[in-house]
Amino acid sequence: EVQLVESGGGLVQPGRSLRLSCAASGFTFDDYAMHWVRQAPGKGLEWVSGISWNSANTGYADSVKGRFTISRDNAKNSLYLQMNSLRPEDTALYFCAKDDSGYYFYYMDVWGKGTTVTVSS
Amino acid sequence: QSVLTQPPSVSGAPGQRVTISCTGASSNIGAGYDVHWYQQLPGTAPKLLIHGNSNRPSGVPDRFSGSKSDTSASLAITGLQAEDEADYYCQSYDSSLSGWVFGGGTKLTVL
Repeated sequence: EVQLVESGGGLVQPGRSLRLSCAASGFTFDDYAMHWVRQAPGKGLEWVSGISWNSANTGYADSVKGRFTISRDNAKNSLYLQMNSLRPEDTALYFCAKDDSGYYFYYMDVWGKGTTVTVSS
Repeated sequence: QSVLTQPPSVSGAPGQRVTISCTGASSNIGAGYDVHWYQQLPGTAPKLLIHGNSNRPSGVPDRFSGSKSDTSASLAITGLQAEDEADYYCQSYDSSLSGWVFGGGTKLTVL
């Protein structure tokens, strides 16, 4: 069964850092690009970042550029999101999602259940 | 304000047909980038519904169909069922932003 399981969310003060992880199973992880998508409480979906199968191609939403870093470890079938200088507006449910493509981002065909990040003092 | 514009809500009675529009611009849909649609049932993760403008993944009923024209796209749902009540999102690529963008989402209510 194809599965994505996010972890690492929690309550953090503004300005601090947090690292999210996503464990993948049931498919050949290093064949596919991966993404992080977030959803603020009661709001819509927002693409956060994506990374190609070999980490050579990465992209970020303007709202997180310079603060967040996406990475992956194909040996561990894992995706990460390092979030620095967190702001209250980063509060959201963060989803890990698999792309159908390997290098260029296309569409997200598998989603995890998400991990909640709350930025508050 | 989302780059892709969707109506906040649509509704229909069981068995009816509804459509959800997704209006973009020359930097995204109008530039030829494909549109994908996702369904998010209450309290769950999004699920891929339509990819590449009009393609249904395995397991998605043929009651769901997608189309694209010029700077907009549409999702049509025929034979509405109570289980279709959900939020629906369109997604595409925007060259001005150099990133993926979602529509603001449309809440479908089955009356």
